[in-house]
Amino acid sequence: DAGVTQSPTHLIKTRGQQVTLRCSPKSGHDTVSWYQQALGQGPQFIFQYYEEEERQRGNFPDRFSGHQFPNYSSELNVNALLLGDSALYLCASSFEGSYEQYFGPGTRLTVT
Amino acid sequence: GDSVTQMEGPVTLSEEAFLTINCTYTATGYPSLFWYVQYPGEGLQLLLKATKADDKGSNKGFEATYRKETTSFHLEKGSVQVSDSAVYFCALRYTGANSKLTFGKGITLSVRP
Repeated sequence: DAGVTQSPTHLIKTRGQQVTLRCSPKSGHDTVSWYQQALGQGPQFIFQYYEEEERQRGNFPDRFSGHQFPNYSSELNVNALLLGDSALYLCASSFEGSYEQYFGPGTRLTVT
Repeated sequence: GDSVTQMEGPVTLSEEAFLTINCTYTATGYPSLFWYVQYPGEGLQLLLKATKADDKGSNKGFEATYRKETTSFHLEKGSVQVSDSAVYFCALRYTGANSKLTFGKGITLSVRP
């Protein structure tokens, strides 16, 4: 079982650019959540996808958008990047109704 | 809204010392409580959980009890090891559609040989 995988591992972008991050959930999981972890902080919830729909959203602007595919994998898109978007982006997967979310290793985004 | 507060860090202990990491929460309902651990360069791993008041979660020698009366979920371990060095996050979550995790800021634990 590969667990939750994310790509790429690291990414450097310039202010104003757009970025797409990818996540493959753990086998058998149908729900994907995305979190932003700034340096020295706890992860902050961005949004959650279930059955290819955004089910819940945290306090993030519309520049942050996502998608879930029929195979349950997911993408996080961020438009018009700001310096403050520099963070570790974590994907977590779970099975609907279960307590545990399994986290991937994250994508480190640096905006210059 | 819901929130989680963790004690300020970092914490440095000698091997075999007793560990307590404080966590308190504010919640509108009756969430489940979690401790996650993040080792250097890795993602978060679930360490233990408790789903209702007075439940005790335990794993790898770590324990935490869900105290509704004090809204706390303190993490303890009787004898820490160098391999326990990591960042520890307390979190809460509801079941069902509102199932996002709300995390504390985390605390870095360093254990010296």
